[in-house]
Amino acid sequence: GAGVSQSPSNKVTEKGKDVELRCDPISGHTALYWYRQRLGQGLEFLIYFQGNSAPDKSGLPSDRFSAERTGESVSTLTIQRTQQEDSAVYLCASSGRQGAGELFFGEGSRLTVL
Amino acid sequence: LAKTTQPISMDSYEGQEVNITCSHNNIATNDYITWYQQFPSQGPRFIIQGYKTKVTNEVASLFIPADRKSSTLSLPRVSLSDTAVYYCLVPTTNQGGKLIFGQGTELSVKP
Repeated sequence: GAGVSQSPSNKVTEKGKDVELRCDPISGHTALYWYRQRLGQGLEFLIYFQGNSAPDKSGLPSDRFSAERTGESVSTLTIQRTQQEDSAVYLCASSGRQGAGELFFGEGSRLTVL
Repeated sequence: LAKTTQPISMDSYEGQEVNITCSHNNIATNDYITWYQQFPSQGPRFIIQGYKTKVTNEVASLFIPADRKSSTLSLPRVSLSDTAVYYCLVPTTNQGGKLIFGQGTELSVKP
């Protein structure tokens, strides 16, 4: 596609449920990032994929969070046993150049945990 | 930790030039400096990127002094629609490409 696509755009779930968020990066982009943005806050780094290298998971806040990426395509961020503090917008970005800072963001997935 | 420091907020009026300065004292030799704009309920959008001196595009200018320890984003003749959060990003090149954002600058443009 022309840009980074994320789904769902909005997700409301109950505390304790698992959720999956999907990111479709720009075709050919080898780098993919996930960020979390709480209301009124900045972007919090979660995880970074670069090609077939092992992902940098250093930003994942707990073991309830995990992410996968198949090759250089779609990525899925999974949050298990959701908590109210997980409520946020989850943003995905891709880049064609490793670490160069030129990121293309999706519109985000807004997660609300009741 | 983010490698950048910016003012938390700025106010301006329509038609004025706005300059937002970002400090990045520990910038590495190969690091580029990138600025993003984020409107409410949207993902950040790339504005401009530079390495040294001055870069200009249709949206903004970026000024980088010789020591590269800071950079200034210049928005000419702002309008109400420029109200947004602006982020300065410097890659953490010694951490394999991980990109950490700072807190950003919330720009409010008033009529």
